[in-house]
Amino acid sequence: GDSVTQMEGPVTLSEEAFLTINCTYTATGYPSLFWYVQYPGEGLQLLLKATKADDKGSNKGFEATYRKETTSFHLEKGSVQVSDSAVYFCALSDHGNNRLAFGKGNQVVVIP
Amino acid sequence: EAEVAQSPRYKITEKSQAVAFWCDPISGHATLYWYRQILGQGPELLVQFQDESVVDDSQLPKDRFSAERLKGVDSTLKIQPAELGDSAMYLCASSLSPGGSSNEQFFGPGTRLTVL
Repeated sequence: GDSVTQMEGPVTLSEEAFLTINCTYTATGYPSLFWYVQYPGEGLQLLLKATKADDKGSNKGFEATYRKETTSFHLEKGSVQVSDSAVYFCALSDHGNNRLAFGKGNQVVVIP
Repeated sequence: EAEVAQSPRYKITEKSQAVAFWCDPISGHATLYWYRQILGQGPELLVQFQDESVVDDSQLPKDRFSAERLKGVDSTLKIQPAELGDSAMYLCASSLSPGGSSNEQFFGPGTRLTVL
């Protein structure tokens, strides 16, 4: 079935550093792709999305491009802040039932 | 701003007991989802409702889990009897419709269940 793979392990970096979180997917059709963020003690919030190949989703300085040729949707931010510390989940859904399949998530810790 | 409401936020129970979680979706959202998120992993869909009907419960352990959305608005997820492995965060989400441009899912804060 459809699945999402995120890079292993937490990510620790200094404020103003460049952030990349890798995400690859496996799907039979042409899914929509999402990044969700989960701050401590809160539910998931949609960060950005892309619905077709070569689309770029962006929000709050974060970007991700839907790459069909590499089945990837890597998340990037040029200069992180302490407030970006959270868990980030990559997800996909097919266009039929809207069921979301999530990756395992990556804990991001930004140190002042 | 409209939000998905869930209660309780935290629940501690002993194994073999019954537990129930409640979710109130954003007003007007026809589609409601229950997810389970085990610590250190991403959420997994348990059940999806369209109005009051179940459209996907393929991952719901039906021997002990049940879910209902009787009037097509709020929903209850029940576990009976609870097992140690049920300890997790239970997330509710809602969307205007199951697909198309109005398919963004909005998540509630979750109920953290601990089974002792």
